[in-house]
Amino acid sequence: AQSVAQPEDQVNVAEGNPLTVKCTYSVSGNPYLFWYVQYPNRGLQFLLKYITGDNLVKGSYGFEAEFNKSQTSFHLKKPSALVSDSALYFCAVRDMTGYQKVTFGIGTKLQVIP
Amino acid sequence: AAGVIQSPRHLIKEKRETATLKCYPIPRHDTVYWYQQGPGQDPQFLISFYEKMQSDKGSIPDRFSAQQFSDYHSELNMSSLELGDSALYFCASSSTGGRYNEQFFGPGTRLTVL
Repeated sequence: AQSVAQPEDQVNVAEGNPLTVKCTYSVSGNPYLFWYVQYPNRGLQFLLKYITGDNLVKGSYGFEAEFNKSQTSFHLKKPSALVSDSALYFCAVRDMTGYQKVTFGIGTKLQVIP
Repeated sequence: AAGVIQSPRHLIKEKRETATLKCYPIPRHDTVYWYQQGPGQDPQFLISFYEKMQSDKGSIPDRFSAQQFSDYHSELNMSSLELGDSALYFCASSSTGGRYNEQFFGPGTRLTVL
């Protein structure tokens, strides 16, 4: 069975500093990974995804994520955090076999401090 | 612990028929979100409700409607079904008094339109 782990309940970072939100995954076969962001009382919004190719994936709002196969990780990063980046971030993995169901992590709250 | 319940788990309909999907949130959760995941596609946010009022709207077709009832369960009504509506529909619930409005996902309803 596939799974996603987001080990940090909350990440605090000062505005202007780089941020990292961690994600590790477990899936049989090749993973299809992505990140979603949720603002309060809003639906999930897609940020970026990795299927194949370059290990560094660039997405919306200046976010990027680095795929590391040996560490089975897909950490979300941004060089310079904004206060408006404060939200809940979900990592997800999609099984590339069968119906390709998506499994979401539990989410990490990012708090950017002015 | 109680989880999000969706019914039915599987549903087969023919073109132009109607379908109703139900979602029962975790007790004391006041917000429900609906997502559609087509075969081989990423989940797409459809609509959400907070305290029985629509709180956010995504890519929900006009043929679909949804509501949240006084017991906080939600129903997604789908009319004039098309082949392209075949997908996994899953809902999530959250509590504004809970952990950062974290969404908990149900197992999904697999709709097949023939």
